[in-house]
Amino acid sequence: DQQVKQNSPSLSVQEGRISILNCDYTNSMFDYFLWYKKYPAEGPTFLISISSIKDKNEDGRFTVFLNKSAKHLSLHIVPSQPGDSAVYFCAASIWGAQKLVFGQGTRLTINP
Amino acid sequence: ETGVTQTPRHLVMGMTNKKSLKCEQHLGHNAMYWYKQSAKKPLELMFVYSLEERVENNSVPSRFSPECPNSSHLFLHLHTLQPEDSALYLCASSQEAAGNQPQHFGDGTRLSIL
Repeated sequence: DQQVKQNSPSLSVQEGRISILNCDYTNSMFDYFLWYKKYPAEGPTFLISISSIKDKNEDGRFTVFLNKSAKHLSLHIVPSQPGDSAVYFCAASIWGAQKLVFGQGTRLTINP
Repeated sequence: ETGVTQTPRHLVMGMTNKKSLKCEQHLGHNAMYWYKQSAKKPLELMFVYSLEERVENNSVPSRFSPECPNSSHLFLHLHTLQPEDSALYLCASSQEAAGNQPQHFGDGTRLSIL
């Protein structure tokens, strides 16, 4: 049973436009969510996080939105740049627990 | 060096070999993790260490044996592996072993079992 799902394996966006990556979860106990970015031959890099007491967190071009009632979060990248082309993973955890549960990842390609 | 360093980056071994993966973190963190990433699957947590003590063992076969001699080093000893164990093995660290903290990952060891 996969508790964190990224239903789009890939996404293609034009440079300068907005990229929206989506993630759904099933466990209502999750209260902390993260996004990671991964380039080929490198490990995942932490991007941005949000706790369940918020519905939005912003860091430069990156904004994460959390909709607890829908058990859905999204990552917005605006404007999208070629260097944003990577695989993006969402992850979820329960406060105080040791483990992160990851989605399968979405491959984002930014076209010039 | 900074961050999380994993060696080797690539490893090819037979099913009867014994090898070890090494991870070192230079971040002063207290928790370290081993993950497995198979093709087209999410990252799977294998082991969690907090202050050198194993706090989570996620139903991993005994042919994988972790070792954490100190808070900066983590090993994964491998023996009698199966072809389905071919995967990317990622090490990570965080300040504490708590779910509300970002984990910092190494670049992984790509393992191929012949």
